[in-house]
Amino acid sequence: AIQLTQSPSSLSASVGDRVTITCRASQGISSALAWYQQKPGKAPKLLIYDASSLESGVPSRFSGSGSGTDFTLTISSLQPEDFATYYCQQFNSYPPLTFGGGTKVEIK
Amino acid sequence: EVQLVESGGGLVQPGRSLRLSCAASGFTFDDYAMHWVRQAPGKGLEWVSGISWNSGSIGYADSVKGRFTISRDNAKNSLYLQMNSLRAEDTALYYCAKSPMVQGVIMDHFDYWGQGTLVTVSS
Repeated sequence: AIQLTQSPSSLSASVGDRVTITCRASQGISSALAWYQQKPGKAPKLLIYDASSLESGVPSRFSGSGSGTDFTLTISSLQPEDFATYYCQQFNSYPPLTFGGGTKVEIK
Repeated sequence: EVQLVESGGGLVQPGRSLRLSCAASGFTFDDYAMHWVRQAPGKGLEWVSGISWNSGSIGYADSVKGRFTISRDNAKNSLYLQMNSLRAEDTALYYCAKSPMVQGVIMDHFDYWGQGTLVTVSS
């Protein structure tokens, strides 16, 4: 199974900061990667698919990049509603579909 | 509006069975692969099982293979997860999730999620 390692596992940031989260795959997955945002008590929400495609309705401050084994999710200017946990997910190899361990973005 | 509503969760003793359901609306259910994803309390996301639009392709995580069975009834716009031989480590919030591509493969991401149903396995 392909393993996804996210870093950092948590971070503290201020409103307006630029935030970058990394997801590394244990083997190449082309661009078959998605990013999700999850707020406490809520279901995950799709942000990015195919590594860099922005889901409809998601603010443009979110962007994704990478291919192969190394991927990043960037929030260009952190907003109060962005404090949440973020997960990457690969869909290049199945079964299983796998998720990263998550990155919790907290208020500094 | 796409809606996925899970039901069937609850408290169950180890070794017993439970059947989860997911009622779908707001889209043409029989055009899309569907999945179950779980989240143990305070933990991350774990894909459990997926089924193609026509039930022709099905997959499971190793942790549930041989114990859980996914199925769907396209006439009822419903997805199911039959869970047998439940263990304490199956305790989690179980989400129903939809894949985005019409008649696409199971090997995909998820564009819509339900709110989940909680399964607690304990004596």
